[in-house]
Amino acid sequence: ILNVEQSPQSLHVQEGDSTNFTCSFPSSNFYALHWYRWETAKSPEALFVMTLNGDEKKKGRISATLNTKEGYSYLYIKGSQPEDSATYLCAFQPAAGNNRKLIWGLGTSLAVNP
Amino acid sequence: EAGVTQFPSHSVIEKGQTVTLRCDPISGHDNLYWYRRVMGKEIKFLLHFVKESKQDESGMPNNRFLAERTGGTYSTLKVQPAELEDSGVYFCASSQGLDRGEQFFGPGTRLTVL
Repeated sequence: ILNVEQSPQSLHVQEGDSTNFTCSFPSSNFYALHWYRWETAKSPEALFVMTLNGDEKKKGRISATLNTKEGYSYLYIKGSQPEDSATYLCAFQPAAGNNRKLIWGLGTSLAVNP
Repeated sequence: EAGVTQFPSHSVIEKGQTVTLRCDPISGHDNLYWYRRVMGKEIKFLLHFVKESKQDESGMPNNRFLAERTGGTYSTLKVQPAELEDSGVYFCASSQGLDRGEQFFGPGTRLTVL
């Protein structure tokens, strides 16, 4: 059974705080790790697709790192803003032939108070 | 460029009835995926089309679910007969040819079975 764990489950921060979340995934059969941002009733929005051990990616105030040997990825938000409030989902893509299915964590729900 | 669209956005039906969900992927995307999120649980993969062919349907819960993608464009997911446990948000996503590429999601159809 392939499990993807995210922590914390939820987080409340003040505007301007920096924060980070963790995604743990199987360290074997790794193909890719996806981060998504999801606001309820909207489309989940892709943030990063990470494929190589040691990858670091950045998009504005959001960045992510990847460690495939130990099976974890961190997502960082610098100087959180109220519009960052959303659920942040990670999804593990296992290596298995032509299989492209994503295996998801439960997400980290972030609330940024103004 | 239009994104992935899904119809309807919400559906409320009685147990035993039939519901058909529709997904229009981004034009030119050969890959189309269906996922489901039951409240309080993680998003789960249902199936993957490449053009009109089912590449992987390992996540389909049972034979009450039927997905089609005639002509390799839009897809439908029919649930017949619906059961209470089918309630959840059904997401559709599409992607281009890259197997580690970003999957673009629609806003989902929220299905409630009473």
